[in-house]
Amino acid sequence: DTAVSQTPKYLVTQMGNDKSIKCEQNLGHDTMYWYKQDSKKFLKIMFSYNNKELIINETVPNRFSPKSPDKAHLNLHINSLELGDSAVYFCASSQEGRGNSPLHFGNGTRLTVT
Amino acid sequence: AQSVTQLDSQVPVFEEAPVELRCNYSSSVSVYLFWYVQYPNQGLQLLLKYLSGSTLVKGINGFEAEFNKSQTSFHLRKPSVHISDTAEYFCAVSDRNGNKLVFGAGTILRVKS
Repeated sequence: DTAVSQTPKYLVTQMGNDKSIKCEQNLGHDTMYWYKQDSKKFLKIMFSYNNKELIINETVPNRFSPKSPDKAHLNLHINSLELGDSAVYFCASSQEGRGNSPLHFGNGTRLTVT
Repeated sequence: AQSVTQLDSQVPVFEEAPVELRCNYSSSVSVYLFWYVQYPNQGLQLLLKYLSGSTLVKGINGFEAEFNKSQTSFHLRKPSVHISDTAEYFCAVSDRNGNKLVFGAGTILRVKS
């Protein structure tokens, strides 16, 4: 009965490859997010979708492309992976896309680019 | 734009001692404030939130935080910590019109026996 689940948990790949991370939430929330946590544990928002529409797109390289087939899913595709992409990527969801809605996080995907 | 400063990167404390984790924020508009906890190899979980009303908010696991508008602070406290409280704690802020949560750099709480 996991609320926000993301797969895979670990992803090890070589530079230049393309990879995807999947995220699903069963909370009935309208808004989903991708956050990146770097090696110093700093968390930064990448994208936010509300009902399949992109509402936040931070200054993320266009090698990163989110896709939301429905409001319960938000996948992240990364092209031409670089060493600096190594991080933990967290998917999250909230009831509404407003500031007073707490986020529910998945357990993260640890991406290692070699 | 909002920003969050967590003044301590690590806080070591003995079991059953009180603890305070400090958080200051910067914003030109009214905000909502949150504390999240991250246990090793897990995602973040909400500890507590301040939306409006009473400035003292209580959360899970015996934690509480006080919103101080004049000092732009939202410090987290627990009167008696347990070994199981060892984790990283993140303060976060969002403005009342937006939908972007901005996190502090985190404070590692290490509880020693």
